[in-house]
Amino acid sequence: AQTVTQSQPEMSVQEAETVTLSCTYDTSESDYYLFWYKQPPSRQMILVIRQEAYKQQNATENRFSVNFQKAAKSFSLKISDSQLGDAAMYFCAYRGGSNYKLTFGKGTLLTVNP
Amino acid sequence: NAGVTQTPKFRILKIGQSMTLQCTQDMNHNYMYWYRQDPGMGLKLIYYSVGAGITDKGEVPNGYNVSRSTTEDFPLRLELAAPSQTSVYFCASSYADNTEAFFGQGTRLTVV
Repeated sequence: AQTVTQSQPEMSVQEAETVTLSCTYDTSESDYYLFWYKQPPSRQMILVIRQEAYKQQNATENRFSVNFQKAAKSFSLKISDSQLGDAAMYFCAYRGGSNYKLTFGKGTLLTVNP
Repeated sequence: NAGVTQTPKFRILKIGQSMTLQCTQDMNHNYMYWYRQDPGMGLKLIYYSVGAGITDKGEVPNGYNVSRSTTEDFPLRLELAAPSQTSVYFCASSYADNTEAFFGQGTRLTVV
C-alpha cells in the first residue's frame, strides 16, 4: 500500500518570506500523481498544485512551486512571498496511475507571522 | 456549478442512532469518495466508487455503508453510531481520466 509521510506537523514563516513543506511517499508504481491541498479554517479542501510523475519539470502555480525528486520519492512544496492568507493545514497526497484512490499525509499546519 | 454538495454540515447523534450523510455532485464524475478526518491523522478513505452500481472499501470501512445508484449521488450510512465515529467527513469526486479530486465542504459529526 502506498504511504505518504509529512514529517513536519507544524511550520511557521514570516510574512513575505519563503517556506518549504516536506513530503515523502512510498510506492512501487512508476506512473502516479502527486498533489498538495490546502485546508484553511473554513475546512474547505483546495487544490494548490499537482505533479505528474512522468513529467521531469517541476510544477509551478504563481507563488507555489514543488521540488519533485522521483528517485528519492520526495515532493516538497515551496511557498514564496508568504501571505497571511497562506496560513492553513497543508496536505500532501498521492494517487497511483492504476487506481483512483487518493492517499493523504497527516498534514502540516502552517502559521504565517505578520 | 455547485460542484460537490454535502449535507448536513453539522450533526450530533446519540450512541446507537443511525443517519445518512448525503453527497451529490453535478460534474458527471465517475469516481466518488468518502473520507474521514481526525485531528493529526490526515484524511482516511472509508469507501469509494468507480461508477454507478460499483463500490469498494477503503482503509476504514467498519461501521459504514454506501450505495451508488446514480452517477450524481453517493450517500454514506452510519448504523449504530459510536463515539469513535466522531469526526469530520468529506465527500469528493473526480473524472476517471482526470486526476484532480473536488471536495465537498465537510460534515462535522459528533456522537455522544
